[in-house]
Amino acid sequence: AQSVTQLGSHVSVSEGALVLLRCNYSSSVPPYLFWYVQYPNQGLQLLLKYTSAATLVKGINGFEAEFKKSETSFHLTKPSAHMSDAAEYFCAVSPLGGGGNKLTFGTGTQLKVEL
Amino acid sequence: DAGITQSPRHKVTETGTPVTLRCHQTENHRYMYWYRQDPGHGLRLIHYSYGVKDTDKGEVSDGYSVSRSKTEDFLLTLESATSSQTSVYFCATSGGSYNEQFFGPGTRLTVL
Repeated sequence: AQSVTQLGSHVSVSEGALVLLRCNYSSSVPPYLFWYVQYPNQGLQLLLKYTSAATLVKGINGFEAEFKKSETSFHLTKPSAHMSDAAEYFCAVSPLGGGGNKLTFGTGTQLKVEL
Repeated sequence: DAGITQSPRHKVTETGTPVTLRCHQTENHRYMYWYRQDPGHGLRLIHYSYGVKDTDKGEVSDGYSVSRSKTEDFLLTLESATSSQTSVYFCATSGGSYNEQFFGPGTRLTVL
């Protein structure tokens, strides 16, 4: 079974600092990988996805993630944090292929951005 | 994003009463999902649907049932609500090649 682990349930950064949110997956075959963001009292919004086309994936709001097969990781980064980035972030994994395969979510990382 | 609405957005009910939550989508996506979100647990899949009248259980399906009579609507029913079902419920849809899911705004349910 596939799984994801998000290291650090809470991360705090200063405004303008690098954001690094960690995600490691467990899968025998490199899967599809996703990062979602959830702002307070809202649903999840897709930030970016890895579909094996390129290992460095750029998403919305200046975020990007790099797929590293050797480390089974898909960490999310942003060079300079903004106050509006404060939210909860979820990493998710899915088997290859379409057909509505289910996503498995990590338990989330709450990002706090301080002045 | 997919056009997904959920109703009601907030509900307070009493233990033992039946509750139905509705998810409506306008994207003609084949797959639909119901999740619950609780602190420390992330999102957990309750039930999902892979077509009209085709549904299956997720990891936390006990006490819940679903129905899908039309592509656009997916109903979640708590047959006899319990306090442990107090949660935020999210509907999601999927219709792409890479299994990405699109989420509704959520329903906050409180069972007293």
